[in-house]
Amino acid sequence: GQNIDQPTEMTATEGAIVQINCTYQTSGFNGLFWYQQHAGEAPTFLSYNVLDGLEEKGRFSSFLSRSKGYSYLLLKELQMKDSASYLCAVLDSNYQLIWGAGTKLIIKP
Amino acid sequence: EADIYQTPRYLVIGTGKKITLECSQTMGHDKMYWYQQDPGMELHLIHYSYGVNSTEKGDLSSESTVSRIRTEHFPLTLESARPSHTSQYLCASSPQTGEVGELFFGEGSRLTVL
Repeated sequence: GQNIDQPTEMTATEGAIVQINCTYQTSGFNGLFWYQQHAGEAPTFLSYNVLDGLEEKGRFSSFLSRSKGYSYLLLKELQMKDSASYLCAVLDSNYQLIWGAGTKLIIKP
Repeated sequence: EADIYQTPRYLVIGTGKKITLECSQTMGHDKMYWYQQDPGMELHLIHYSYGVNSTEKGDLSSESTVSRIRTEHFPLTLESARPSHTSQYLCASSPQTGEVGELFFGEGSRLTVL
């Protein structure tokens, strides 16, 4: 079966750095997405990785290792507004998105 | 800013009623999707469409139907609502004409079936 694993919940301090991991087992791979979803709101796109390595976009970076079936989202200089769920999703061989359950990130002052 | 709209945002309805959740986008996207999401759970694909008169079933499609008569409109219909349908329904669209593209989501329709 296809499976996306990410931690259910993480807590971090304002101004710090946090890394959210995602491991996947899917039938084929055509890229990995990270989305941010604030409580009660729609998910919004953060990043897309299809090649190994690190993609940096401001305070957010996303890393991919296809051989390990592993990705992480790195958030720097955490702000209170970063409190949200972070969803990992993999595009499989049929170009269908397989979603993880999301990681709820709690930022404390 | 994405221009994709869902109505109603909240709906409480009795068992057995027929309901239609509306989704419209003004971006001219060919691809549109319906997802169901329960709190703390992953998104499940219900239906998707790659263009006018094209609809496909996802994982949870058996109790609902969709239509795509116009590019901008992708309504989802539950013929007979049940308490198990209580959930958040998210509509999304994608701008890519190829296989890969980011999704733009609507604000969601939160349905409660009594």
